[in-house]
Amino acid sequence: QSALTQPASVSGSPGQSITIPCIVTNSDVGDSYSVSWYRQQPGIAPTLIIFDVTYRPPGVSDRFSGSKSGNTASLTISGLQAEDEADYYCVSYTSDVAVIFGGGTKVTVL
Amino acid sequence: QLQLQESSPGLLRPSETLSLTCSVSGGSVSSYHWNWIRQPPGSRLEWIGNIHNTGKTNYNPSLQSRVTILADTSKNQFSLKLKSVTTADTAVYYCARLAHVRGTSRYFFDYWGQGRLVTVSS
Repeated sequence: QSALTQPASVSGSPGQSITIPCIVTNSDVGDSYSVSWYRQQPGIAPTLIIFDVTYRPPGVSDRFSGSKSGNTASLTISGLQAEDEADYYCVSYTSDVAVIFGGGTKVTVL
Repeated sequence: QLQLQESSPGLLRPSETLSLTCSVSGGSVSSYHWNWIRQPPGSRLEWIGNIHNTGKTNYNPSLQSRVTILADTSKNQFSLKLKSVTTADTAVYYCARLAHVRGTSRYFFDYWGQGRLVTVSS
């Protein structure tokens, strides 16, 4: 079972904000864990949208933001748009650089 | 611009060994961690393992007994071997680079290959 737990699906109306939680329960990840977030559209490789919990790579919309509180990291999408429909994955790393993927969250724009 | 390209036979029989190669252009495999990730049809992403330029490897515990990842710096490639495949190994296989925030051990995947569908069927 995944040590990063995400809801299977989240939905919202255009213009709304949604938040996807990622609950970290793997003890190997450590208290100062780092999380990155990826967006995946059908049939396409994932793309990085948030790294090191809160940072956006160049070219990623500022409607995407990341945060962390305790053992939960979160991705917030503000001003939801139809193009935001995709699967979103959180990913973390152990001190040995083993990688852990969350189960993925399907975002639906109503 | 870094580019990664997976290559392999697309069809395997059960019990055979899956062999995938990731060719890297625009950068060198002599630094960073290089990863294999797979995604069964309609399912989630699953990390398989990685190799560092030091030669150190990390594997997903659920696959560790069947997986070998190697790097060939002379060809600027890294490879995956997964032995004794079953139909459950049918998936799109991705190679990806794991970068890190400079001066830290805070990682993220910055480049991905386009993925290669490997089907295991009798």
